[in-house]
Amino acid sequence: QSVLTQPPSVSGAPGQRVTISCTGSSSNIGAGYDVHWYQLLPGAAPKLLIYGNINRPSGVPDRFSGSKSGTSASLAISGLQAEDEADYYCQSYDISLSWVFGGGTKLTVL
Amino acid sequence: EVQLVESGGGLVQPGGSLRLSCAASGFTFSSFAMTWVRQAPGRGLEWISYISSSSSPIYYADSMKGRFTISRDNAKNSLYLQMHSLRAEDTAVYYCALVGSTPFDYWGQGTLVTVSS
Repeated sequence: QSVLTQPPSVSGAPGQRVTISCTGSSSNIGAGYDVHWYQLLPGAAPKLLIYGNINRPSGVPDRFSGSKSGTSASLAISGLQAEDEADYYCQSYDISLSWVFGGGTKLTVL
Repeated sequence: EVQLVESGGGLVQPGGSLRLSCAASGFTFSSFAMTWVRQAPGRGLEWISYISSSSSPIYYADSMKGRFTISRDNAKNSLYLQMHSLRAEDTAVYYCALVGSTPFDYWGQGTLVTVSS
């Protein structure tokens, strides 16, 4: 059971917008710690997608955006493309357990 | 281009030991902290350990303390994870990652460790 809670799966048609939630608590996200997002594609090295809640590393399309409010954060992907089909993980810091991840969300592009 | 290449994984019996390596290139290895993360089959990501650029401080996830040891050799641009008393639940893909804006800015492709008799 992960410290951060994500939906196991989300889906959307090409061109649509989907959001992935990441719910924490007052000991992690709610304590003010940043949330980061990672993309895991089969057969590829995991990739940093969003850092510091809202920032995109260079090379990440602006179709990907992050937000944070209270004890939760979200990753939004607009203009869905087939290549976005992957597993997505949120990550933050917890005052008792150090770095923690969400359970991961599998995105299916219909 | 940052490159991280893990090696040393394989099949090991319960109670056995294994040493993973991570070869780094494309950046000044001695200037960056590093981490290890793992993903068990069908499960999510789990942080294992952190080591600063100078090897102090070092941090471990509570569940790994006492069995896993992280280390690095800046002269060889290499990161290591020594694992002892391995259990079936340690079966996972093990990744090394570079600490930058996040604890896991860049990742390797991982090395599979299977603990089974």
